[in-house]
Amino acid sequence: AQSVTQLGSHVSVSEGALVLLRCNYSSSVPPYLFWYVQYPNQGLQLLLKYTSAATLVKGINGFEAEFKKSETSFHLTKPSAHMSDAAEYFCAVSGGGADGLTFGKGTHLIIQP
Amino acid sequence: DTAVSQTPKYLVTQMGNDKSIKCEQNLGHDTMYWYKQDSKKFLKIMFSYNNKELIINETVPNRFSPKSPDKAHLNLHINSLELGDSAVYFCASSLSSTPGELFFGEGSRLTVL
Repeated sequence: AQSVTQLGSHVSVSEGALVLLRCNYSSSVPPYLFWYVQYPNQGLQLLLKYTSAATLVKGINGFEAEFKKSETSFHLTKPSAHMSDAAEYFCAVSGGGADGLTFGKGTHLIIQP
Repeated sequence: DTAVSQTPKYLVTQMGNDKSIKCEQNLGHDTMYWYKQDSKKFLKIMFSYNNKELIINETVPNRFSPKSPDKAHLNLHINSLELGDSAVYFCASSLSSTPGELFFGEGSRLTVL
């Protein structure tokens, strides 16, 4: 069975500082990995995805993530945080086809002015 | 035009009642899902339909019954509501050819009193 683990239920950074949200995966086959963002009272929106092409994946809003097989990790980063980045972030894994997504427990990102 | 729309957005009801949530997507996707998000923001897949056929039916009480009249619609009917059913229910859709790239509705917040 595939799963993802997000380290840290809450992460707080200052505006302009580096954002690092951690995700480790468990999968017996090469996984499809994703990061989604959820703003308050909204549905989830795809930030970026890894599907075994490039290991460094660029997404929307300046976010990127690096797939590291040796560390079974897919951490999300952004060089400089904006106040508008405050949201819940979910790492997720898919088995393909109509399998849908298995989500991590989420990380709440807080941006300090 | 909203890509994935759910109605109603809010539902407040008494224990024991029956309620339905409707979902429609205008993206031409062939797969639709229901997810449940609890008060701790944890997201769990409930059902997935591909071309109107049930693909995933997670361990969900049989009080929950999905129905897909066509590829663009997936409704969720809940019988004999319980306090523990209080949650936000998200509908989502995707193409089976691009696994994991889900488009979510804005959610339906169900409160059972």
